[in-house]
Amino acid sequence: AQSVTQPDIHITVSEGASLELRCNYSYGATPYLFWYVQSPGQGLQLLLKYFSGDTLVQGIKGFEAEFKRSQSSFNLRKPSVHWSDAAEYFCAASSGSARQLTFGSGTQLTVLP
Amino acid sequence: NAGVTQTPKFQVLKTGQSMTLQCAQDMNHNSMYWYRQDPGMGLRLIYYSASEGTTDKGEVPNGYNVSRLNKREFSLRLESAAPSQTSVYFCASSISGTSAEQYFGPGTRLTVT
Repeated sequence: AQSVTQPDIHITVSEGASLELRCNYSYGATPYLFWYVQSPGQGLQLLLKYFSGDTLVQGIKGFEAEFKRSQSSFNLRKPSVHWSDAAEYFCAASSGSARQLTFGSGTQLTVLP
Repeated sequence: NAGVTQTPKFQVLKTGQSMTLQCAQDMNHNSMYWYRQDPGMGLRLIYYSASEGTTDKGEVPNGYNVSRLNKREFSLRLESAAPSQTSVYFCASSISGTSAEQYFGPGTRLTVT
């Protein structure tokens, strides 16, 4: 079955520190990959997406993600975290034969001052 | 341009009651989706409509029905609410296809007592 796994339920970092959020997928073929962010009480906002080509993709708010086919991973990174980055982050994937997204269970990010 | 709108924002139902969640988008998107979000489980697809006039079941369709009223509107109906349907419901839309990003509404928080 197709699945997306986010191994870290909760991550805490200090403001200004670097961040990496992990995402692994299990699909028959390389899916389309997405990272979304959800602030408390809000809907989801797309940070970035990967379809093909360059394996390092840039997104909004200074985020980037790297696709690694050999590891079936699509990890999200940010060099220096800001307090406003505190939110829940979701990795998602969709394949060519389906029209829906499969989401990971999310990673809650806490930023310490 | 309001994007994706959902009504109501909050709702409390008693077991057995029925209600309809409304969703509308003004981006001329072809595809629309309904998800539910539960703690620790990410978002799970309930139903989707790839284009006007079509609807399909997602991962968790039991207890729900949908109507794609026109290109703009996609409603979700709970015929006989159960406590297990307590959740946050999100509507989303996309231009079409699996590669297109989905845009999310602000959500409806539903409690069934």
